[in-house]
Amino acid sequence: DTGVSQNPRHKITKRGQNVTFRCDPISEHNRLYWYRQTLGQGPEFLTYFQNEAQLEKSRLLSDRFSAERPKGSFSTLEIQRTEQGDSAMYLCASSLAMGAHWNEQYFGPGTRLTVT
Amino acid sequence: KQEVTQIPAALSVPEGENLVLNCSFTDSAIYNLQWFRQDPGKGLTSLLLIQSSQREQTSGRLNASLDKSSGRSTLYIAASQPGDSATYLCAVKRSQAQGGSEKLVFGKGTKLTVNP
Repeated sequence: DTGVSQNPRHKITKRGQNVTFRCDPISEHNRLYWYRQTLGQGPEFLTYFQNEAQLEKSRLLSDRFSAERPKGSFSTLEIQRTEQGDSAMYLCASSLAMGAHWNEQYFGPGTRLTVT
Repeated sequence: KQEVTQIPAALSVPEGENLVLNCSFTDSAIYNLQWFRQDPGKGLTSLLLIQSSQREQTSGRLNASLDKSSGRSTLYIAASQPGDSATYLCAVKRSQAQGGSEKLVFGKGTKLTVNP
């Protein structure tokens, strides 16, 4: 088990461009979460999936943001028409819905986005 | 709306000292509370998870307590080491019985520096 992985680790983009991030959860974890963290703040929840179903979305997730988990395994987070305010660390986490350590969220290393 | 506060924002101690980090939350209807460690520019590492029915959890030199009725948790670190230097975050998950969600609500963290 290699833990939650995220790619890319860093992304620099110009304002107005689209970006896509990928998250691979711990194998057999059926829940997957996206959070955003800005400097000096704690992570803020964006959205969560159970298997392939997106069950909850934060109001932070504007219509420029879209997340998918097509086969219930990896997930992608796309930001369209990026703005400077989107600059942040995007964190992915996964958890089990039952069994040992259920509900304990395990985080990946994050993708740091810089919008210039 | 759940709010999580961590005091102090920063703490500097000499190596070997025992220390306590504090976390308070405004809504006592929580399902669980999780403590994390975050190294600069990195993702989050889960340290301890306390279910709402539990009073404390221990892992090595770490002990976390939970007083749900007063909305408080503490993380006790014994015999601190320079390698413990990091930001420590606490996060709460709302109770399902109170219409909770799967999201974690985070504090801003306490930045700990352990001096050799």
